[in-house]
Amino acid sequence: EDQVTQSPEALRLQEGESSSLNCSYTVSGLRGLFWYRQDPGKGPEFLFTLYSAGEEKEKERLKATLTKKESFLHITAPKPEDSATYLCAVLPGTYKYIFGTGTRLKVLA
Amino acid sequence: SQTIHQWPATLVQPVGSPLSLECTVEGTSNPNLYWYRQAAGRGLQLLFYSVGIGQISSEVPQNLSASRPQDRQFILSSKKLLLSDSGFYLCAWSRLDPFSYNEQFFGPGTRLTVL
Repeated sequence: EDQVTQSPEALRLQEGESSSLNCSYTVSGLRGLFWYRQDPGKGPEFLFTLYSAGEEKEKERLKATLTKKESFLHITAPKPEDSATYLCAVLPGTYKYIFGTGTRLKVLA
Repeated sequence: SQTIHQWPATLVQPVGSPLSLECTVEGTSNPNLYWYRQAAGRGLQLLFYSVGIGQISSEVPQNLSASRPQDRQFILSSKKLLLSDSGFYLCAWSRLDPFSYNEQFFGPGTRLTVL
């Protein structure tokens, strides 16, 4: 069964304290792995797509990496405005996306 | 650029009342369209998806239904709401390309409270 697991469920960081979020997946095939940011009461905002092992994408303080079994979202020197829930999803087939339950990130000033 | 709209933004309905949530996409054609529900503190549950006008796939047996009357319009409906239908409803679209552009983009969501 296709499955996505995110860890930790919640993470509290001091401003400037770098860390990583994990997304591990078990799928029959991979047409893409996606990271989203979701603020309370809003729809998820697309961040990155990764297609193959070894691929990396960067945007401001965020960097996403991909291996054959997991993806990491590295947050370098986070700021309070980076506080949000970060969702990971995979597309194993043609139409259906499988989402993890997310990591709630809180960055303290 | 593409834009996805959902309305209403919030809705409070009594148990047993009907429901109609609407989603429209601008700036693209032939999108794949999706309805998700997100319970508080939980992940996204796929309810329906559509790959074309009149084509609806249901993922979860329940008292909800979906329709796609136009290429860029997706409607979520219920004849009689249950308390368990409360949640945050998200519409999304994607355009599957064999080489790239598989991202899924979300609307702003509708917060439904059933009392």
